[in-house]
Amino acid sequence: DAGITQSPRHKVTETGTPVTLRCHQTENHRYMYWYRQDPGHGLRLIHYSYGVKDTDKGEVSDGYSVSRSKTEDFLLTLESATSSQTSVYFCAISQMNTEAFFGQGTRLTVV
Amino acid sequence: AQKVTQAQTEISVVEKEDVTLDCVYETRDTTYYLFWYKQPPSGELVFLIRRNSFDEQNEISGRYSWNFQKSTSSFNFTITASQVVDSAVYFCALSLRSEKLVFGKGTKLTVNP
Repeated sequence: DAGITQSPRHKVTETGTPVTLRCHQTENHRYMYWYRQDPGHGLRLIHYSYGVKDTDKGEVSDGYSVSRSKTEDFLLTLESATSSQTSVYFCAISQMNTEAFFGQGTRLTVV
Repeated sequence: AQKVTQAQTEISVVEKEDVTLDCVYETRDTTYYLFWYKQPPSGELVFLIRRNSFDEQNEISGRYSWNFQKSTSSFNFTITASQVVDSAVYFCALSLRSEKLVFGKGTKLTVNP
């Protein structure tokens, strides 16, 4: 299995609070991604990174920011969590033109 | 823009039946990659197969087979002699050259004993 770890695995937070999810990889893969999974929507890309300090927006990036200061870590921040951001978040890694491997997911509930 | 359509939201079969999951994709690029992932009830996403746009050869892996047809922009997945352990949500996905997988909405397969 690809060495990819998400933390925390579960989190309950209140509306309006900041939340940071962490993705850590030990595979030295260039690309890292954050997806969210919601019923009826499949997986939708939030942000992705193609190198240290190189990031770009996905299709559902509003309300989210990311940072990648090291190859192995990709952080997803909800600046002010809203109930619509209740979801399961998946981190993924890949190399050029290869399949992506996914973390175990983080279940986030915003109350 | 790229798009993946999995028209079958849910499929229910009885064990040992064959089942085909449909995937239709849209892209204007000539170089792209297609994928299938499995998400069992435990929630993790498991990679099944990757195909590039220049390789239309069908693939068989045990009870799993994939039919890639560029003429119809389809990449269908067939499970032969289905088993209860095949029950999962299956996602088809598309990427261009590298990165940014675009997923379909998934097909939930239930295999009943």
